[in-house]
Amino acid sequence: RKEVEQDPGPFNVPEGATVAFNCTYSNSASQSFFWYRQDCRKEPKLLMSVYSSGNEDGRFTAQLNRASQYISLLIRDSKLSDSATYLCVGHTGNQFYFGTGTSLTVIP
Amino acid sequence: EPEVTQTPSHQVTQMGQEVILRCVPISNHLYFYWYRQILGQKVEFLVSFYNNEISEKSEIFDDQFSVERPDGSNFTLKIRSTKLEDSAMYFCASRGTETYNEQFFGPGTRLTVL
Repeated sequence: RKEVEQDPGPFNVPEGATVAFNCTYSNSASQSFFWYRQDCRKEPKLLMSVYSSGNEDGRFTAQLNRASQYISLLIRDSKLSDSATYLCVGHTGNQFYFGTGTSLTVIP
Repeated sequence: EPEVTQTPSHQVTQMGQEVILRCVPISNHLYFYWYRQILGQKVEFLVSFYNNEISEKSEIFDDQFSVERPDGSNFTLKIRSTKLEDSAMYFCASRGTETYNEQFFGPGTRLTVL
């Protein structure tokens, strides 16, 4: 059973582009969601938490739709440094479920 | 900025040997986790630990695995008899109660079982 599913990509976009990642989850009891970023052979790092009302942090916007069990991440004005794998994470109880990640490469 | 540390960064062992992976969580954190990531695959939850006991564990975390917080600062993962398929990156994470559910990850230990 896949708790969290993501399109693995890869997404290859030019600098300055807007790119959107989507994620679906199967456990309706999931309490909270996050987007993490993982660089090659490094640990995951929190990018942002995801709230039902939607939240924005600079160029990044996250949305949660509980009715559709769907989470999204929008990156505007992509930078070369945004190249990484983006992980969708759900949380239930004291357990966290990671998606397979979506690979993003921003091209000069 | 406080951070989670892990040692060693790379551990090579023979199949059947016991390994202990060490983590020092952020000092005022209360929840601790171990994850593994097989090369090219997703991050998989192994176990969570709170108040000196396991709070949740996954199907991966079988009798070969155990965790311990021996001295109030270290948090260890022991694999009793390693198998080839235990080769992976093992991440420790911790979280407090003040920052809503945010986990901080250590840099990981790469375990290679030969």
